[in-house]
Amino acid sequence: SQTIHQWPATLVQPVGSPLSLECTVEGTSNPNLYWYRQAAGRGLQLLFYSVGIGQISSEVPQNLSASRPQDRQFILSSKKLLLSDSGFYLCAWSVKAGGRTDTQYFGPGTRLTVL
Amino acid sequence: RKEVEQDPGPFNVPEGATVAFNCTYSNSASQSFFWYRQDCRKEPKLLMSVYSSGNEDGRFTAQLNRASQYISLLIRDSKLSDSATYLCVVNHNNDMRFGAGTRLTVKP
Repeated sequence: SQTIHQWPATLVQPVGSPLSLECTVEGTSNPNLYWYRQAAGRGLQLLFYSVGIGQISSEVPQNLSASRPQDRQFILSSKKLLLSDSGFYLCAWSVKAGGRTDTQYFGPGTRLTVL
Repeated sequence: RKEVEQDPGPFNVPEGATVAFNCTYSNSASQSFFWYRQDCRKEPKLLMSVYSSGNEDGRFTAQLNRASQYISLLIRDSKLSDSATYLCVVNHNNDMRFGAGTRLTVKP
């Protein structure tokens, strides 16, 4: 069966510090991978998605970046965090199904607080 | 108009009640639809997929009305454990759009 891991679970960082969040998927190959952010009381906002190694699409301009160095590894980074970067960061994966995105499955998330 | 709109609630219902949530979407070419459940401070988990006119799974029924561009979720015989936020998700060409969620509290 497939599992998705994220770490750390919780993070408190000062403004201006760097960020690195990691997501790994087990039990599947060549998945689509996604990074979302959920602000308090709001819906999920897609930040990045990847259809393969080294292939990253950005949905919104911001001070975050993503990388996919391996097939089942997805990393979210920032060089300098802003207060507005606080939120619940969720990684998700889906199976490629004839070009149509199938169901997305979410990792446990990282709760980031920027102070 | 938001791409996916949901009544934020909260819906407060007694155990055993039947409750229904609606979700409207703006893109008429959307291809597939999902309901996720999200517990407080946890990740969303898939509840149901809706690819045709509807889907039923035990106490949960999802219906799709493409003409009116809405999806509904019906929960029968509510349990305390059904308390959560329910997210409506609409897919168009691999672009998944999430509603902000409807919060449900089931009380004894």
